Amino acid sequence: GIQVEQSPPDLILQEGANSTLRCNFSDSVNNLQWFHQNPWGQLINLFYIPSGTKQNGRLSATTVATERYSLLYISSSQTTDSGVYFCAGYYNTDKLIFGTGTRLQVFP
Amino acid sequence: EPEVTQTPSHQVTQMGQEVILRCVPISNHLYFYWYRQILGQKVEFLVSFYNNEISEKSEIFDDQFSVERPDGSNFTLKIRSTKLEDSAMYFCASSEERGRGGQGRRTDTQYFGPGTRLTVL
Repeated sequence: GIQVEQSPPDLILQEGANSTLRCNFSDSVNNLQWFHQNPWGQLINLFYIPSGTKQNGRLSATTVATERYSLLYISSSQTTDSGVYFCAGYYNTDKLIFGTGTRLQVFP
Repeated sequence: EPEVTQTPSHQVTQMGQEVILRCVPISNHLYFYWYRQILGQKVEFLVSFYNNEISEKSEIFDDQFSVERPDGSNFTLKIRSTKLEDSAMYFCASSEERGRGGQGRRTDTQYFGPGTRLTVL
């Protein structure tokens, strides 16, 4: 099955800094999603991005399917960006395989 | 924007008791899922459900688990006899289309509910 690895595992930033989170997957995927898990445990959909680049406000994501990785960019980080970021993908199956997450802490 | 909803938000139960976790998927979605997340760990797939039957399940989803769509809107997960290790956050999700055989379209995006935190004492 697909293995999903995320880096870095932990990230500490000061407000206003930029960051890049990486997701590597072991095999081809035909769906890749990025989620933000907030401090209350809710999983918020950020992007559906099996390939290409998308932007939503201060967040953007790029997936290079041929090289089996995806990147999530956070610009001008805010304290509300704190939480855990997960990527998850699947290929020809119903189940999303989640990575281990990147825990982001943004301090004022 | 339509959302997946889940009730209750928190459930505390005694070991050996039965619990039913409830979900209302997005109304035009046809595929439904349960996932769980043990505290501090990653999210794990439990089961997918389509057309009133299980389409895929994980090794975690053993005989003590069952799912049901009792009416046109609800989707439930039942744990027959809870164990301490069942303590976790349980997420329901839904999608318009399925991943298996999918073409990577936006419509197979899975949307997650806010979760039910289950504590087994």
